[in-house]
Amino acid sequence: DAGITQSPRHKVTETGTPVTLRCHQTENHRYMYWYRQDPGHGLRLIHYSYGVKDTDKGEVSDGYSVSRSKTEDFLLTLESATSSQTSVYFCAISRRQGENEKLFFGSGTQLSVL
Amino acid sequence: EDQVTQSPEALRLQEGESSSLNCSYTVSGLRGLFWYRQDPGKGPEFLFTLYSAGEEKEKERLKATLTKKESFLHITAPKPEDSATYLCAVSGSQGNLIFGKGTKLSVKP
Repeated sequence: DAGITQSPRHKVTETGTPVTLRCHQTENHRYMYWYRQDPGHGLRLIHYSYGVKDTDKGEVSDGYSVSRSKTEDFLLTLESATSSQTSVYFCAISRRQGENEKLFFGSGTQLSVL
Repeated sequence: EDQVTQSPEALRLQEGESSSLNCSYTVSGLRGLFWYRQDPGKGPEFLFTLYSAGEEKEKERLKATLTKKESFLHITAPKPEDSATYLCAVSGSQGNLIFGKGTKLSVKP
């Protein structure tokens, strides 16, 4: 298995509180991604990073921010959690971006916003 | 708009009963089509990448094929351990990955 660790694995929080999810990799891959997975939807990209301090928005970035201060860590922050952000969040990594590169996924974080 | 549709949503098979999963796509300039397997409570796991119509890839009981409009994941003589959700994704004109909703496969002994 690719060395990707997501924490926490499960979290319950209240509407309006900030939440930070962490993704840690030991593969030294350049690209890191945050996806969310919801019933009735395919995986949707929230944000991604192509290097330390280099990030960009994905398809569903509203209400989320990210930071990458080290190659191995990519943080996803819900600035003020809402019930619509209840989801399973997956971190993924790849050596490079683009059509030729497969993604390696972490085991996910189940987030419930009450 | 780039789009990926997987069918059926769910498929129940008896052990040894071969079948196929479908992934239809609409994308301006296909750069790659990916198949992933996802077990409950886990992240997707890469299976195959296909790049051009006519291409085929195999892995154990799985065989993926690609045409200009769709891809099939053929499962030959499935076993219960093949039970999982199978995800299809395409890399479109902007280089981003677009995922389908998946097909949940159950194989009964």
